[in-house]
Amino acid sequence: GQQLNQSPQSMFIQEGEDVSMNCTSSSIFNTWLWYKQDPGEGPVLLIALYKAGELTSNGRLTAQFGITRKDSFLNISASIPSDVGIYFCAGLPVGTSYGKLTFGQGTILTVHP
Amino acid sequence: DVKVTQSSRYLVKRTGEKVFLECVQDMDHENMFWYRQDPGLGLRLIYFSYDVKMKEKGDIPEGYSVSREKKERFSLILESASTNQTSMYLCASSSRGEGYTFGSGTRLTVV
Repeated sequence: GQQLNQSPQSMFIQEGEDVSMNCTSSSIFNTWLWYKQDPGEGPVLLIALYKAGELTSNGRLTAQFGITRKDSFLNISASIPSDVGIYFCAGLPVGTSYGKLTFGQGTILTVHP
Repeated sequence: DVKVTQSSRYLVKRTGEKVFLECVQDMDHENMFWYRQDPGLGLRLIYFSYDVKMKEKGDIPEGYSVSREKKERFSLILESASTNQTSMYLCASSSRGEGYTFGSGTRLTVV
């Protein structure tokens, strides 16, 4: 099945640094979502975006729904050790049936204290 | 707080065994999904269901079957477990147009 192009695949950063990751697709999406997965757990929804151009924040996290509806980015400011995990983008393509999401491959984030 | 509950966090089964993974949601969601997650391969959809007794194959259905007799419960069945089915299994549910709520996952090891 189709997957989103998510980059980077992994990041190693120092505590306090800002982080940016993005997802792109050749198809148009109605909804963009960002999830975080802690080690050994299921993914948890961080931010949901429903309109092109929408910019939404959740604490230190900010995400945007691209104007073309084919991309989205997630920024994390002032990273802390508990930000460690895998971040997934996901989208609901136009015309998809039964709410089946398309996922990116994930960005593995490591934060050094 | 809304929940998707997977019956086991860790399972160890023998090759050839029939394995049942159970998932229950309390949100009255229409859609339920089973994924497997392997390093470097991301999340791969095995099966999903959009209503009671309705099911659709995902991207990797071979070796698996599913059952949805009640709206809140979606079971994944490994007909004859094999070592290449050792993986993390994630269940999710959603309502139309919304994102998924995931369970905590079941880490299955087949020996």
